[in-house]
Amino acid sequence: KAGVTQTPRYLIKTRGQQVTLSCSPISGHRSVSWYQQTPGQGLQFLFEYFSETQRNKGNFPGRFSGRQFSNSRSEMNVSTLELGDSALYLCASRGTNYGYTFGSGTRLTVV
Amino acid sequence: QKEVEQDPGPLSVPEGAIVSLNCTYSNSAFQYFMWYRQYSRKGPELLMYTYSSGNKEDGRFTAQVDKSSKYISLFIRDSQPSDSATYLCAMIHTGNQFYFGTGTSLTVIP
Repeated sequence: KAGVTQTPRYLIKTRGQQVTLSCSPISGHRSVSWYQQTPGQGLQFLFEYFSETQRNKGNFPGRFSGRQFSNSRSEMNVSTLELGDSALYLCASRGTNYGYTFGSGTRLTVV
Repeated sequence: QKEVEQDPGPLSVPEGAIVSLNCTYSNSAFQYFMWYRQYSRKGPELLMYTYSSGNKEDGRFTAQVDKSSKYISLFIRDSQPSDSATYLCAMIHTGNQFYFGTGTSLTVIP
């Protein structure tokens, strides 16, 4: 069974640019969540999607947005990038139990 | 106050030692408790999952939950160098949102 796939693995962007990250969940998983991970703050919840609807949202500015498609694949977008947005962005999918399965993440560096 | 507090370490132990990792939490509504292990450059992977107070054992790993004290622990027996990673506690209540600790970095020295 394939795991959670995130693309790209690494990304370098300039301040002010925008970026789109992609996540393909485990087949059959309808819930997809996004997290930002930094050394100082740990895992910070961004948002959760279930059946194309945003179910929960964390405390991030409106520059961070996401969506989920009918095949459960999800994308997150960050506009007007800031240096502080440099982080590991993790996607996690969940089936019927409570445990998340995480992808390996996209490491975003903003210069 | 953060919802979940976890000592970041780092923790360094000799091979074969018993390791104790801990988290405290403030929200008594948390019902499900998990421990994740994260190797460098990888996403977290689920290690243990428990519901309600008590102990749960899986091989060398034991998860313990004390709801009255709002305290959870992960014990690793006979620690191995391959256990070197960051360990994150996580918990969830009926609102479906996960709350993670900041992680404890563990190094097991051969």
